[in-house]
Parts: sequence; C-alpha cells; structure tokens
Amino acid sequence: KAGVTQTPRYLIKTRGQQVTLSCSPISGHRSVSWYQQTPGQGLQFLFEYFSETQRNKGNFPGRFSGRQFSNSRSEMNVSTLELGDSALYLCASSLQTDTQYFGPGTRLTVL
Amino acid sequence: GIQVEQSPPDLILQEGANSTLRCNFSDSVNNLQWFHQNPWGQLINLFYIPSGTKQNGRLSATTVATERYSLLYISSSQTTDSGVYFCAAPKKGNEKLTFGTGTRLTIIP
Repeated sequence: KAGVTQTPRYLIKTRGQQVTLSCSPISGHRSVSWYQQTPGQGLQFLFEYFSETQRNKGNFPGRFSGRQFSNSRSEMNVSTLELGDSALYLCASSLQTDTQYFGPGTRLTVL
Repeated sequence: GIQVEQSPPDLILQEGANSTLRCNFSDSVNNLQWFHQNPWGQLINLFYIPSGTKQNGRLSATTVATERYSLLYISSSQTTDSGVYFCAAPKKGNEKLTFGTGTRLTIIP
C-alpha cells in the first residue's frame, strides 16, 4: 500500500497570504489528523477528521481550518499568514483509533 | 489534557552502545506510540504499544500502563539510529496524539 502523501513538500509565502495544504491518507484509512511542528512549541495537534466530519480540534486560531472529502483526502487552509505560522505541517492517517501513520510533511516558510 | 514527558532530552553515544529512552505520561492511555523523526522531518512508526513488550530487530519497547511509563531500548546503536525519538499518547476516547518533547539521539562513529 502507498503511504500517506502530502503536497506540496515545500512552500514559501508572504505575510497576509493564504495557503492550502493537501494530504492523501493510506487507502482504506478514514481518519486524518493534522499536526504543526515548530522548534519552540514542538508537535501540536491541529484537528482530526473522520468520514468528512471534524472529530477533534486543537487549540489554534480560526485562521486554521480544514476539511475532508468523501475519498478521505484532506486539506488544511491557513488564512492571513503570520511569520509564526512557519512550520512543518504533518498529516497522519489511521483506520479509526489506532496506529497513526505520518506523511513526509509540508515545510511552510512565511516571509 | 494529558502530559507526556521524555528523558533524557539529549543522548550522545558511541556506535555499538545500548540506550534506554523513557516516556512518562500523566493519565490513563489506550495506546502509546514511539516514532523516529528522520533528518527530513518524517515521523517513522516504531511501535504501537499500549502495554507489554514488543521487539523489532535491535529495538524493543515496554509500556507499563499501570505505572504510566514506557521505555524504548536500542541495542548495538548505529549511526543511522541518530535523530529525534518521540513518544505520543492520546487521552482515552480521543484520537488526538499528545507528543513528548523528544529525545535527540546522536550516535558517534
């Protein structure tokens, strides 16, 4: 089976812009979670989707949003980018509530 | 929410040495995972281990759920073992993984 894929792998944006990141889970996995990793805050949970519904949400501002499509692919959007949004964004998929498998991540740089 | 603490934060060892990484968690968990983050940032699954002991080659892990800790053992370390090791656990009934701050392992040839 193919692993979790994320696109794009690298992204450079400027403050105030918006960005959309994409995640394709392992075939058959219905749960997709997003995490942000920064040197200062470590790995933090953003949100989790299961069968197109947001099931859990982390403590991030409303500028961070996501959605999941019927084929389980997920996107996350960050609007009005700030310098502090520069991070590695990781997506993980799982069947339901078990082992999570991570993609390679999208490295976002905000200038 | 659940707190996950890892120790030591940094570990430098000679190639061939053995190491033990520790993960303490503050609440009951229904699963615990160990990951190795490679230099490109990808988190590689090592173990899914809510309780008991598992082994995979030179790596093994033990979780004692009643005492709220897990250990990752690496034997005969190789330079390719270098990187950051994370443990992560969700609170019961919640899919969200809470990560520890990681142990940075450096293996010197």
